[in-house]
Amino acid sequence: KNEVEQSPQNLTAQEGEFITINCSYSVGISALHWLQQHPGGGIVSLFMLSSGKKKHGRLIATINIQEKHSSLHITASHPRDSAVYICAVRSGSGGSNYKLTFGKGTLLTVNP
Amino acid sequence: DTGVSQNPRHKITKRGQNVTFRCDPISEHNRLYWYRQTLGQGPEFLTYFQNEAQLEKSRLLSDRFSAERPKGSFSTLEIQRTEQGDSAMYLCASSPGGVQFDEQYFGPGTRLTVT
Repeated sequence: KNEVEQSPQNLTAQEGEFITINCSYSVGISALHWLQQHPGGGIVSLFMLSSGKKKHGRLIATINIQEKHSSLHITASHPRDSAVYICAVRSGSGGSNYKLTFGKGTLLTVNP
Repeated sequence: DTGVSQNPRHKITKRGQNVTFRCDPISEHNRLYWYRQTLGQGPEFLTYFQNEAQLEKSRLLSDRFSAERPKGSFSTLEIQRTEQGDSAMYLCASSPGGVQFDEQYFGPGTRLTVT
């Protein structure tokens, strides 16, 4: 079993729909990252959070440390949101807290 | 552009050949990371540098792989005697260090195809 599990693996939506992508993890973490990867490889960091909720534009990320679960929401989805969304957790302590363990990603396709 | 850059972006090589990739981190970032991503999977950690010191190396990195970061600036990842299983996207990231949760900034990756 992977340490980081994402669901769904694939998601197709119509423009304007509210999107939720889920991430569950099985290890103790110090922080959780949501990343976006477009075709061709480039990865962009969307959020880094260790508690509560963060919002940036139409994107909202939440985390529940007790339940070891995080969600990424996209409001009013748009075709340009089409990408792979990856959850990654930062574990380890002190000087070794740099290591990221990644989920397999969720492929989101938003149709016009 | 002041982001992380990687060269080449694509590399096609024959099995058995050696390849070398380069990563230029964001200026003054003292932490540098290499990851490998195969099709349909998330990235996997390969190795980590703090300045010029290689502090951790994953078990994924066989003896055919070597990484360096001379002078604590750019880094190179070399694969000797490439195998078809080495075909993947090789990603480099850097972070400033110095704070507990510093954010990693990723490069565009080098896609390696071993034929």
